[in-house]
This record gives sequence, structure tokens and C-alpha cells, in this order.
Amino acid sequence: EPEVTQTPSHQVTQMGQEVILRCVPISNHLYFYWYRQILGQKVEFLVSFYNNEISEKSEIFDDQFSVERPDGSNFTLKIRSTKLEDSAMYFCASSAENQPQHFGDGTRLSIL
Amino acid sequence: GNSVTQMEGPVTLSEEAFLTINCTYTATGYPSLFWYVQYPGEGLQLLLKATKADDKGSNKGFEATYRKETTSFHLEKGSVQVSDSAVYFCALSSWAKIIFGSGTRLSIRP
Repeated sequence: EPEVTQTPSHQVTQMGQEVILRCVPISNHLYFYWYRQILGQKVEFLVSFYNNEISEKSEIFDDQFSVERPDGSNFTLKIRSTKLEDSAMYFCASSAENQPQHFGDGTRLSIL
Repeated sequence: GNSVTQMEGPVTLSEEAFLTINCTYTATGYPSLFWYVQYPGEGLQLLLKATKADDKGSNKGFEATYRKETTSFHLEKGSVQVSDSAVYFCALSSWAKIIFGSGTRLSIRP
């Protein structure tokens, strides 16, 4: 069965540094998403992306965050200047039109 | 705004016990409802879904019925196994995103 794949599985970064989290969505999906889960808390929506633009974003997704689909297969989340509170598990998801979202295994981001 | 409330855990049961995890929602319109499962060290997997009132989603012995009159989507399984130990998330679709409940950790004793 096709999967959403995320790399790396664990990223450790110094506070203030930029980080890029990578995702390869399922190949025929057109809708892409990022969520995050701070340890012990609920999964929170960050952003959705369709047709090369953001379709919805939450208040968490401020100017420090950006998303990009640099080629036909990757979908990335960039955090420009990381803060301690950005430490979380970040999940990428993708979906076809009107179909459930499929999630990757996540990237654990640790900010030191 | 739209939200999901599910029973707090952890829930600990013996193997072959009956499971219920309660979930209620608040939403405008008619969202689709989901249960996702997160096994230790893994990502979120869709367990089952229901897209309209009175629909029953089912998978791997788990069931949940979309109850519009009580705004509920309770997860049930007649006989749990040790391998069902995981965190279970109730969720609803809201435009371009999914809104999750806080998750319920389930532990099954052999």
C-alpha cells in the first residue's frame, strides 16, 4: 500500500537555526498537510496546501513557518529560526479529493 | 468552533474485555468523523471513518456509529487483544483540516 514518507525521523537543532522537514506524499494525491504534536498533547493542524498554494493555516503557522513543493514529489516544512517551543513531532499528510488523509510516521524535532 | 472531546485515559483492560472509548463532537455542518490509531513509535493510521449520520465505520473488529442526535462517535470492540494497545484519536474533518481529540491511551493486559 502506498505510504507517506517523512525524513529525517529525528532532527536535533540548535535554537535559532533553520530546519527543513521533508515529506514525500502519496504519488497521486493533490492535497498536502502538516500537523504537529507537542509531547503529551493533541495533534494540531498547521497548514494545508493545494495547487501550489496554502489553502488554510492555523494561528500556529506564523511568519517563521513556510511550506514548499519544490518538485513533483517532495513537500517541505521550513522553520526559519527555531524556538524551544517548536520541539514536537511533526506529521505530514496527503489526500486525494474528498478522501481521508494519510499520515506519515512523523519527524521528531528537538530544539536545544 | 469545531471541536472533539474524547474520554481521558489511560484505559487499562484485560485481554478479551469489551472496549468503549467515548467521543463527542461540536461542529457546524456535517463533518466526516474518524478514529485514528497511533501504535508505539509509529505515526497516525486511519482506523475507521463515517461520512454521514447513522453510518457505521468498522475495521479490525472496531466499530463506531455516527450519531447526529447525540453528536457522538464512540469506538467499540467486543474483545480486545494485547496488540490493540495504542493511543486512539477521535477526529473530524473541518474544511481543509482534521481536528483531533486529545487521544486515549489504551493498554491491554495479557
